Amino acid sequence: AQSVTQPDIHITVSEGASLELRCNYSYGATPYLFWYVQSPGQGLQLLLKYFSGDTLVQGIKGFEAEFKRSQSSFNLRKPSVHWSDAAEYFCAVGEGSYNKLIFGAGTRLAVHP
Amino acid sequence: DGGITQSPKYLFRKEGQNVTLSCEQNLNHDAMYWYRQDPGQGLRLIYYSQIVNDFQKGDIAEGYSVSREKKESFPLTVTSAQKNPTAFYLCASSPPGTGNYEQYFGPGTRLTVT
Repeated sequence: AQSVTQPDIHITVSEGASLELRCNYSYGATPYLFWYVQSPGQGLQLLLKYFSGDTLVQGIKGFEAEFKRSQSSFNLRKPSVHWSDAAEYFCAVGEGSYNKLIFGAGTRLAVHP
Repeated sequence: DGGITQSPKYLFRKEGQNVTLSCEQNLNHDAMYWYRQDPGQGLRLIYYSQIVNDFQKGDIAEGYSVSREKKESFPLTVTSAQKNPTAFYLCASSPPGTGNYEQYFGPGTRLTVT
């Protein structure tokens, strides 16, 4: 069965610093990969997605992610973090024929001024 | 404005009572989903529905029930059989088409049972 691992439960960065959130997946074929962001008490918002093609994908809010098949990874990056980026981030992989998503446990990002 | 609405945002119930959470979408999406979110556990799938009058159990369906009588609506009932119902519940929908995994989420309902 497919699975998604986000190794970091909490990450703290300073405002203006670069950010990388890790995501590893387990999937046999070419995966459909997603990053979502959730502000406290809110729903999830799609940041970016990878289906095929260019392995570096651009998303909203200045985020990007790189698909590396050899490492089964889809890490999320941002060159300069803003205080408003403090939130929880979820990586997900599409599974099966019913358009289901398998989510990682999430990484909570704190941003220091 | 197209989107997904969940109501209410906060819900309080006494133990032993059934409670129904509302989810409505005007995106004309065929597929709808219910997730439960607990701290440190990510999102776990409760039920999903690909078309009207059809739905399937997800990973943690015990103690929950759903209906899909209209394309726009996918209410979730948390029954008294659910041992630990206090959680944040998220509804989502997805456009038609096999392999279209992108899901759009509602704002969530926080249920507290005492």
